[in-house]
Amino acid sequence: DAGVTQSPTHLIKTRGQQVTLRCSPKSGHDTVSWYQQALGQGPQFIFQYYEEEERQRGNFPDRFSGHQFPNYSSELNVNALLLGDSALYLCASSWDRGSGELFFGEGSRLTVL
Amino acid sequence: AQSVTQLGSHVSVSEGALVLLRCNYSSSVPPYLFWYVQYPNQGLQLLLKYTTGATLVKGINGFEAEFKKSETSFHLTKPSAHMSDAAEYFCAVSDPTGGSYIPTFGRGTSLIVHP
Repeated sequence: DAGVTQSPTHLIKTRGQQVTLRCSPKSGHDTVSWYQQALGQGPQFIFQYYEEEERQRGNFPDRFSGHQFPNYSSELNVNALLLGDSALYLCASSWDRGSGELFFGEGSRLTVL
Repeated sequence: AQSVTQLGSHVSVSEGALVLLRCNYSSSVPPYLFWYVQYPNQGLQLLLKYTTGATLVKGINGFEAEFKKSETSFHLTKPSAHMSDAAEYFCAVSDPTGGSYIPTFGRGTSLIVHP
């Protein structure tokens, strides 16, 4: 059973560029959440997708947007990249009727120069 | 609103010694509580969780945690540390009443195990 898979694992961008990160949830999961983890910090909630809609959003600007596809996979898009966007971006999947346990991918490490 | 405070950004123990990682939470409703572990260059993995029922929760790799409502704490313990326990540990709290269960994470505690 494949767990949560994310791509790419590493990428380098320059300020002002745009980036798209991808996530495939664990089999049987219908909910995808995205987190930003800066170096030495805990994961910060960006948003959660369920039934192809953004269900809840954390305190992130509109430059951060996402999408969920009918097969439950998801994308995170960040526009107009800033140096401060450099971080590990984690995708986590869960089952809507579960108890909140999240299954995480290994993350996409974004470096903005 | 909910929040988590993890006391101590780093905890250092000798192999075989007791591991104690502290977590205090703030929540306006009875919370769900979690401990996750993150090994270098990996995502987070669930160690254990408390939802309802027994307040002493056992998890993987010999870890356990006790929910103490009066102290708003959920400290993680392991009787005997192994070198392989060296990792970053995150405590998280979520509100089960809203339906989305989105957890708020603490800043993490780095566990260092000395031979």
